[in-house]
Amino acid sequence: DQQVKQNSPSLSVQEGRISILNCDYTNSMFDYFLWYKKYPAEGPTFLISISSIKDKNEDGRFTVFLNKSAKHLSLHIVPSQPGDSAVYFCAASAGTGFQKLVFGTGTRLLVSP
Amino acid sequence: DAMVIQNPRYQVTQFGKPVTLSCSQTLNHNVMYWYQQKSSQAPKLLFHYYDKDFNNEADTPDNFQSRRPNTSFCFLDIRSPGLGDAAMYLCATSRAPERQETQYFGPGTRLLVL
Repeated sequence: DQQVKQNSPSLSVQEGRISILNCDYTNSMFDYFLWYKKYPAEGPTFLISISSIKDKNEDGRFTVFLNKSAKHLSLHIVPSQPGDSAVYFCAASAGTGFQKLVFGTGTRLLVSP
Repeated sequence: DAMVIQNPRYQVTQFGKPVTLSCSQTLNHNVMYWYQQKSSQAPKLLFHYYDKDFNNEADTPDNFQSRRPNTSFCFLDIRSPGLGDAAMYLCATSRAPERQETQYFGPGTRLLVL
């Protein structure tokens, strides 16, 4: 039972354009969401997060949007750069206290010059 | 640089032969996690330590054990590896277990079971 779904295994975008990575979740108890980025041969690194009390969080070129009614979140990267090429994982957690992260399967983003 | 280190990066073991994966951290974080990621699947939490307190996930097989002898080190022991245990094993740390505390991941150990 996959509670966090990233239905697009890969995405190709040209440099300078917008990248939109999508994530859907099924557990209505999830109230905190994160995006991690992973380069080859490295561990995932935290990118950006959003609490369910917000519908948008922005950090530089990265913006995460949350649509609670649709149980959907997206990560926008504007403008995309070749260095953004990586695997992006969506993750979610529920409740207070211990932060158990439930991950999606990842989307591989390729930004071409 | 403060970091999470996993050794070895690649581990080959035989079916049924015990194997130990190691993780060390220079971040002085209180929480250490072990995740399993099989090919094309999401990373899945196996267990975590909060200081010396061990917390096992309900669906983690008994075949998987962990030790944390001190703050810096944590080990994943697979007592009798099966072919289905071939995966990437990721270690992570955080300062505290609360959700706002960022988890820092090591590069992972890829386990191959022959």
